[in-house]
Amino acid sequence: DQQVKQNSPSLSVQEGRISILNCDYTNSMFDYFLWYKKYPAEGPTFLISISSIKDKNEDGRFTVFLNKSAKHLSLHIVPSQPGDSAVYFCAASALGDDKIIFGKGTRLHILP
Amino acid sequence: GAGVSQSPRYKVAKRGQDVALRCDPISGHVSLFWYQQALGQGPEFLTYFQNEAQLDKSGLPSDRFFAERPEGSVSTLKIQRTQQEDSAVYLCASSLARGGLQPQHFGDGTRLSIL
Repeated sequence: DQQVKQNSPSLSVQEGRISILNCDYTNSMFDYFLWYKKYPAEGPTFLISISSIKDKNEDGRFTVFLNKSAKHLSLHIVPSQPGDSAVYFCAASALGDDKIIFGKGTRLHILP
Repeated sequence: GAGVSQSPRYKVAKRGQDVALRCDPISGHVSLFWYQQALGQGPEFLTYFQNEAQLDKSGLPSDRFFAERPEGSVSTLKIQRTQQEDSAVYLCASSLARGGLQPQHFGDGTRLSIL
């Protein structure tokens, strides 16, 4: 039973436009959410995180939105650049629990 | 380097052999995690150390899997009597402090293939 769901296996976006990656979760105990980016043959790289006490966190071109009532979060990348082509993992952890639960990932293709 | 280092990068073993995978965390990082990533899936938690103490091993799939971190820095994941379903990428991650609100920093993984 997946606790973190990324329902879009892949997404293609034109360079310069906004990329929106979505994630849903089922565990109401999750209070910390993260996005990781992964290139082939490399480990996941931390991108941005958000605590459950916030509904938005922004870092440069990356913004994460959290809707707790809907158990939904999204990552916005604007403007999208060719180097953003990668697999993006949504992840979550619960208070007092140190492990991270990952989704299956969404492969983002930025088109020239 | 300043990142998490894993060795070997690739490991091929015959079914039934034992393997050992090494992780060097970022210096000063208290917490160390092991994950298993199957093809097309996200990383799945295996086990967690805080310093030398193994605080959570709930994700280890069987008693053939064993992890240690005897001096609170380098960690080894050992798989005994390997089976084909053990083929995966094994990722190690470390973080500065225990739990919550601390992002984990990952190594590039060891790709294990069992023939």
